[in-house]
Amino acid sequence: GAGVSQSPSNKVTEKGKDVELRCDPISGHTALYWYRQSLGQGLEFLIYFQGNSAPDKSGLPSDRFSAERTGGSVSTLTIQRTQQEDSAVYLCASSLAGTGVLKTQYFGPGTRLLVL
Amino acid sequence: GNSVTQMEGPVTLSEEAFLTINCTYTATGYPSLFWYVQYPGEGLQLLLKATKADDKGSNKGFEATYRKETTSFHLEKGSVQVSDSAVYFCALSRTSGSARQLTFGSGTQLTVLP
Repeated sequence: GAGVSQSPSNKVTEKGKDVELRCDPISGHTALYWYRQSLGQGLEFLIYFQGNSAPDKSGLPSDRFSAERTGGSVSTLTIQRTQQEDSAVYLCASSLAGTGVLKTQYFGPGTRLLVL
Repeated sequence: GNSVTQMEGPVTLSEEAFLTINCTYTATGYPSLFWYVQYPGEGLQLLLKATKADDKGSNKGFEATYRKETTSFHLEKGSVQVSDSAVYFCALSRTSGSARQLTFGSGTQLTVLP
């Protein structure tokens, strides 16, 4: 596609349920990022994938959060046993990758998660 | 660690007014600096960037200069339009090591009135 796509665009769930959020990066982008945008915390980095390297999970807030990237393309962010404080907009971004000059990150429209 | 501090909003201006949104940063090494914009109902878009000291990023009439001596990257526009109403985020990224994640400021809501 032309840009980064995310699904669903909105998700309402009950506390304690698991949710899966999907990200489709721009074709050819080997780097993929997840961020979270919430009222109390602003925009926070969660996790970064680069090719076949081990992901950088340093931003994940707890072990209830995990992410996978299958075949170097689509990524799924899973939140287990959701809590109300998980309510936020989850943003995915992708970029070209390489050493040296930073590659611009292109963001998807986000998934708005509401945990009741 | 890395951090970005930007001017708190909301900011309300009349059309054709001059805009400045302040941004300062703390980082190890020599980060790249960015301004992202989020229009109502849309995703984050890169507005402009600068990758080294004294670089000036510019786009759509907006400008920002990478000032290493003051660790700043203030966003300016000489004459704002109603269509510039959005939330503006200052961000930085490391340029060394394997990670490239962005560290964002808290965002500044801009409203331009006709």
